Amino acid sequence: AQTVTQSQPEMSVQEAETVTLSCTYDTSESDYYLFWYKQPPSRQMILVIRQEAYKQQNATENRFSVNFQKAAKSFSLKISDSQLGDAAMYFCAYRRGYSGGGADGLTFGKGTHLIIQP
Amino acid sequence: DVKVTQSSRYLVKRTGEKVFLECVQDMDHENMFWYRQDPGLGLRLIYFSYDVKMKEKGDIPEGYSVSREKKERFSLILESASTNQTSMYLCASSLSSVSPYEQYFGPGTRLTVT
Repeated sequence: AQTVTQSQPEMSVQEAETVTLSCTYDTSESDYYLFWYKQPPSRQMILVIRQEAYKQQNATENRFSVNFQKAAKSFSLKISDSQLGDAAMYFCAYRRGYSGGGADGLTFGKGTHLIIQP
Repeated sequence: DVKVTQSSRYLVKRTGEKVFLECVQDMDHENMFWYRQDPGLGLRLIYFSYDVKMKEKGDIPEGYSVSREKKERFSLILESASTNQTSMYLCASSLSSVSPYEQYFGPGTRLTVT
């Protein structure tokens, strides 16, 4: 079974600084997808960024970027120029690739609570 | 924009009651999911469905059942609620069973069983 580990229950960063959230995963699959989701205090989960395992290039979405190390099974999220609105729970998630029909859920880590200090 | 709605934001039920949590998505998505979220445990998959009347067990299906009679609606049923089912319940949907697999989440239902 796949597992996702987020080793930092809580992180704190000064506004405008850069912060990196860690995520490691364990899988025997070669085709899979990785996600970072954000859950602000309002509770609506939203997708921050997605990485396909077959792509070597690290995904980037504005101030958010990932460092995907496939051999090390590591998938960290870097937030540049942190803003107060970035304060939230961040979840790393895994999904295996096409499974020949049907659907699969996501496997989530336990989350990292990100605090932005003004 | 995809919209996933859940029937209640907060719900209080008594032990032994039958509880229905409803989820509706408006984007003709094939797949729908129910997760449970607990502090320090992250999200755990309860059940999912890839088509009308089709369902699959997730990681923690015990004590729960689901129903999908229409494509846009996915219900989670607690046949006899227990206090250990007090939790946040999140519904999600995804377009299909091929990439990019992104799931869209509802706002959640915080269920308290007393």
